[in-house]
Amino acid sequence: NAGVTQTPKFRVLKTGQSMTLLCAQDMNHEYMYWYRQDPGMGLRLIHYSVGEGTTAKGEVPDGYNVSRLKKQNFLLGLESAAPSQTSVYFCASSESGTAAYEQYFGPGTRLTVT
Amino acid sequence: GNSVTQMEGPVTLSEEAFLTINCTYTATGYPSLFWYVQYPGEGLQLLLKATKADDKGSNKGFEATYRKETTSFHLEKGSVQVSDSAVYFCALSDLQTGANNLFFGTGTRLTVIP
Repeated sequence: NAGVTQTPKFRVLKTGQSMTLLCAQDMNHEYMYWYRQDPGMGLRLIHYSVGEGTTAKGEVPDGYNVSRLKKQNFLLGLESAAPSQTSVYFCASSESGTAAYEQYFGPGTRLTVT
Repeated sequence: GNSVTQMEGPVTLSEEAFLTINCTYTATGYPSLFWYVQYPGEGLQLLLKATKADDKGSNKGFEATYRKETTSFHLEKGSVQVSDSAVYFCALSDLQTGANNLFFGTGTRLTVIP
């Protein structure tokens, strides 16, 4: 099993450009999550999904959109990138939504917006 | 609201030294508590967890006890190794939203020197 994979690993955007980050998991997990990691702030939840076709807002959803058309994939979109979105983005998945189930993280995508 | 405060880093120790990384939390409900570890260039991995007061989580020689009276979940290891060099994150889960959303501390970078 590959676990959780993220594409791309690195990306540089100009202000106003758009892009989509792809997260894929091969563990048949129901729940998937997108976090951003900023210096001195830990990880913060952007959006999450509790199953195929569902999405919900997390702590910092503004400026991002997500889609879960297939159970194994969770896409994070930036329609008009801003320098404040420069960050490292992590995707995670879990079998269920209780604390008994571990979240598995991908290796991250480093995004720079100039 | 929910928040996690953990010891500022970086922490540098010699091999076989004793490690403590402090973590305290505030929560609206009755959270579960976690320690995640991030090795260089990788995503986060669950190190240990505790789901109720006085529970002790342990793994790979690390341990932490859920102390409700002091709202703490300090990470300890009796004898660190060079391979323990990583960033350690304390986190809590909030089940009120119906998903296992994690709230993270800012992370503590540990470097172990031979």
